[in-house]
Amino acid sequence: GENVEQHPSTLSVQEGDSAVIKCTYSDSASNYFPWYKQELGKRPQLIIDIRSNVGEKKDQRIAVTLNKTAKHSSLHITETQPEDSAVYFCAASISNFGNEKLTFGTGTRLTIIP
Amino acid sequence: DARVTQTPRHKVTEMGQEVTMRCQPILGHNTVFWYRQTMMQGLELLAYFRNRAPLDDSGMPKDRFSAEMPDATLATLKIQPSEPRDSAVYFCASAQYPEQFFGPGTRLTVL
Repeated sequence: GENVEQHPSTLSVQEGDSAVIKCTYSDSASNYFPWYKQELGKRPQLIIDIRSNVGEKKDQRIAVTLNKTAKHSSLHITETQPEDSAVYFCAASISNFGNEKLTFGTGTRLTIIP
Repeated sequence: DARVTQTPRHKVTEMGQEVTMRCQPILGHNTVFWYRQTMMQGLELLAYFRNRAPLDDSGMPKDRFSAEMPDATLATLKIQPSEPRDSAVYFCASAQYPEQFFGPGTRLTVL
């Protein structure tokens, strides 16, 4: 089955700087890669996702890149703000219509230092 | 803004008691997942359903856990008997291909 590794496990960044979180996955058949943000005591929330036919996707201060050959995805957060402090999870799936089963990474705890 | 709902939000019980957690998926979503989250194990998939039929429950301890979807608006996860090691946050998520949306979770404490 799919195995997703995520690093670093913790990351502290000065407010206003950029943060980068990396994920590697094992199954070359995986084709859908979402990223979730989980604030303390709350539900994981989908913040951005990317499919294998796309190399990069951006939504305001958040961007995700995908290198399908290297089986590697990265989440980039620019101009970080205190509300970006949370745990971030990457995930991967062999997604086709009717199959949405995700394998999650172990999470990165991001702390923004004011 | 449609959201997945879960009840109860918190549950404290004693070892050996039965626990039932409920989930209402987003209307129109035909796939429902149950996850367990702990500090040690992270997010683990317990079971999931499509169109109310169970597709995969390999992540669930079969001797004490059971999951059902009696109708399209309700999914249940039952633990009987509960044990202290079951203490965790249990999330339900519903999916509309390919995106999954999580409920607020049930924080279970088994004493």
